[in-house]
Amino acid sequence: GAVVSQHPSWVICKSGTSVKIECRSLDFQATTMFWYRQFPKQSLMLMATSNEGSKATYEQGVEKDKFLINHASLTLSTLTVTSAHPEDSSFYICSAESGQENTGELFFGEGSRLTVL
Amino acid sequence: AQKITQTQPGMFVQEKEAVTLDCTYDTSDQSYGLFWYKQPSSGEMIFLIYQGSYDEQNATEGRYSLNFQKARKSANLVISASQLGDSAMYFCAVNTGTASKLTFGTGTRLQVTL
Repeated sequence: GAVVSQHPSWVICKSGTSVKIECRSLDFQATTMFWYRQFPKQSLMLMATSNEGSKATYEQGVEKDKFLINHASLTLSTLTVTSAHPEDSSFYICSAESGQENTGELFFGEGSRLTVL
Repeated sequence: AQKITQTQPGMFVQEKEAVTLDCTYDTSDQSYGLFWYKQPSSGEMIFLIYQGSYDEQNATEGRYSLNFQKARKSANLVISASQLGDSAMYFCAVNTGTASKLTFGTGTRLQVTL
């Protein structure tokens, strides 16, 4: 089946620095990717929808200047957490849509765990 | 907007027994999809099963089956013959139309015991 890969799996950074997380579709072209955030023992919350070649669509309450999303190609979307603070520590996970009609299986990356010191 | 409710924060089941994880949803859309995902401690989201709102038959995938009761807006997951490896968080989710944007429930932590 289709594979979505995220990198890095784990990242620890100092407060005030920026961190970039990559989401790649390995064997299909993803016109749309989604970024989710998951706090410990909580559900996944959609942050934004990333569309290739256009600006991302952010969910209500998500700061677009804080969480920069770039979808420069059909196989890569990046999420940059700018000026990270401890409250940004979370599990970030992406999913990718192949462009086909909804077949019931959506493809998630392995997730990236961010810890801001 | 869609809303998913999973009322069981945690469940225990003995190995080889069946278990039902509850999920109710609220959407005003006529066409929607219902999903169940498994999330082990490693974090990845593993797709288990899908039910389309117009599918009349309950979906089945191996040991997983979805008890779809449309009038009650219920989409419970049934796991038969539980295995120790089934211990994980289980999330119910819904999307509408052809978009793959999912709304997730709060999850149920399943623990399979000997």
